Amino acid sequence: EIVMTQSPATLSVSPGERATLSCRASQSVSSNLAWYQQKPGQAPRLLIYGASTRATGIPARFSGSGSGTEFTLTISSLQSEDFAVYYCQQYNNWLFGPGTKVDIK
Amino acid sequence: QVQLQESGPGLVKPSETLSLTCTVSGGSISSYYWSWIRQPAGKGLEWIGRIYTSGSTNYNPSLKSRVTMSVDTSKNQFSLKLSSVTAADTAVYYCARVGYYYGSGSYYGPMGMDVWGQGTTVTVSS
Repeated sequence: EIVMTQSPATLSVSPGERATLSCRASQSVSSNLAWYQQKPGQAPRLLIYGASTRATGIPARFSGSGSGTEFTLTISSLQSEDFAVYYCQQYNNWLFGPGTKVDIK
Repeated sequence: QVQLQESGPGLVKPSETLSLTCTVSGGSISSYYWSWIRQPAGKGLEWIGRIYTSGSTNYNPSLKSRVTMSVDTSKNQFSLKLSSVTAADTAVYYCARVGYYYGSGSYYGPMGMDVWGQGTTVTVSS
């Protein structure tokens, strides 16, 4: 079973700063990885698929990179609406990572 | 645009079977995979499984022995049954569509869950 880990668990960032979130797979998932954003009381929203392609309507400040076992989600300049929890998910066996909470510094 | 709506009892007794239905509106249920995901309060997302409109299924190994998914294309609905529930099954349950995309060359593959329902809270308690 492929296990996903994310780091850090919590990331404190000031508005306008860059945020870098990491996701690691226990074995290669190629580029079969998605990132989701979840705000309190809401369903998750697909941000990135294929490790690096933004989903429809996602702002350009969100970018994804990586392949194999190491992946990164970068938010270039954090806006107030970006403070949320971010999950990665590989779609070899569809399991999610534990999430990274991005909060206000 | 496609919308999903979960429905079912909000309270289930321990040892009984949790049953939820997801209704797809604004589009056809055909030719897609459909998933169930759950989230206990204050915790992360757990993928439960997925079903294709042919009825083919894949389940999370940790839940496989208790999960059954089905699809009714005539009603544009798919369903989840989780048997022998305990308090640990208390969670918000989401249904979602697995989207697909054309990549470079001749690649055609999944893009993750691109449409989600709003979620429904299920509490397991006597």
